[in-house]
Amino acid sequence: GAVVSQHPSRVICKSGTSVKIECRSLDFQATTMFWYRQFPKQSLMLMATSNEGSKATYEQGVEKDKFLINHASLTLSTLTVTSAHPEDSSFYICSAYAGGNTGELFFGEGSRLTVL
Amino acid sequence: LAKTTQPISMDSYEGQEVNITCSHNNIATNDYITWYQQFPSQGPRFIIQGYKTKVTNEVASLFIPADRKSSTLSLPRVSLSDTAVYYCLVGDTASKLTFGTGTRLQVTL
Repeated sequence: GAVVSQHPSRVICKSGTSVKIECRSLDFQATTMFWYRQFPKQSLMLMATSNEGSKATYEQGVEKDKFLINHASLTLSTLTVTSAHPEDSSFYICSAYAGGNTGELFFGEGSRLTVL
Repeated sequence: LAKTTQPISMDSYEGQEVNITCSHNNIATNDYITWYQQFPSQGPRFIIQGYKTKVTNEVASLFIPADRKSSTLSLPRVSLSDTAVYYCLVGDTASKLTFGTGTRLQVTL
């Protein structure tokens, strides 16, 4: 099946710094990618829809200036957590459609962010 | 967006068949039903997808009644390694897929 890769898988940063997480589709082109965050023992919460060549669409309650999303190519979307705080510590997951009309998503391995 | 409802948790013994049912009463004509499995600290992994009737692959079966308002994921002879959270999602490429609570399956000896 299609492969989506995230990097880094784990990152620890100091409060106030910014962290960038990359999401790559390795063997297909993804015009649309999605970013989720997941807290322990909870479900995935959709943060934003990333469209290649255009601005991301954010879900209600997600600060677009806090979570910067860039989808500059058909194989790469990035999520930058700006001025991170401890409450931003979470598991961030990206996904992408590999084409077709069935709505099948392929997910990255996830990136665990810990803000000290 | 079609909302889904699943049991929060299920328990099973190793070797048993497990059936997890998902309700999606407002499923749209173009929507497919897809099930994902998630282990701790990993991204969800595709299990099976269907539109109607029955679909079977090497790991699971998916039963979808004619009205498509529900679906049942069937895992034959589960093992300890099947302990995970299982999510049912409904949609197509035109919709953003949102996750429900999922079903936390615990398999024991």
